[in-house]
Amino acid sequence: GAGVSQTPSNKVTEKGKYVELRCDPISGHTALYWYRQSLGQGPEFLIYFQGTGAADDSGLPNDRFFAVRPEGSVSTLKIQRTERGDSAVYLCASSLGFGGSSTDTQYFGPGTRLTVL
Amino acid sequence: AQSVTQLGSHVSVSEGALVLLRCNYSSSVPPYLFWYVQYPNQGLQLLLKYTSAATLVKGINGFEAEFKKSETSFHLTKPSAHMSDAAEYFCAVSSMNRDDKIIFGKGTRLHILP
Repeated sequence: GAGVSQTPSNKVTEKGKYVELRCDPISGHTALYWYRQSLGQGPEFLIYFQGTGAADDSGLPNDRFFAVRPEGSVSTLKIQRTERGDSAVYLCASSLGFGGSSTDTQYFGPGTRLTVL
Repeated sequence: AQSVTQLGSHVSVSEGALVLLRCNYSSSVPPYLFWYVQYPNQGLQLLLKYTSAATLVKGINGFEAEFKKSETSFHLTKPSAHMSDAAEYFCAVSSMNRDDKIIFGKGTRLHILP
């Protein structure tokens, strides 16, 4: 079946604008994760959903960042009042969700490259 | 708190030579450890993971890693490098706490010389 897909693949926006990044997980995966990968760094955890609810949102850097997963499938990461420092690749991953986030194999999407001018 | 340190942001090996990518971890609880690979313009892919069973873990594409508690290490090896192994490799750590997050290292870019 299809893997994790993310849209758009690239997003260029201006400082102060609002952006939405979309993630379509693998069908049947109950767990969904968002990460941010800055240049030269590894993925940095942002938020983890189990079903529709955020099980852990401790990685969201501030209240400009918000994510939803209203039907337990597709998720949207929303960034308000974007800043140049938000420029990064935003990665989404999904997993079956049975083993918990610590051991479930996570399947990653190709990412959305966000550039804030 | 947990963390991983990957020694060397870039590693170059000749085709056919041994690949050794180093990873050391820090964890206050027994760790689970992972290696992921990221090919250009693709998503991260799990190579292998250690979850407290056998200390020598075999993964895909001929890679393996050995968990050494005394050295707090989880180095990745492959006996003979192929050109197709050129990619970025990430070591990561979590724990047996069911909903613990995975913490990634900064990555090591592997270059294969012809």
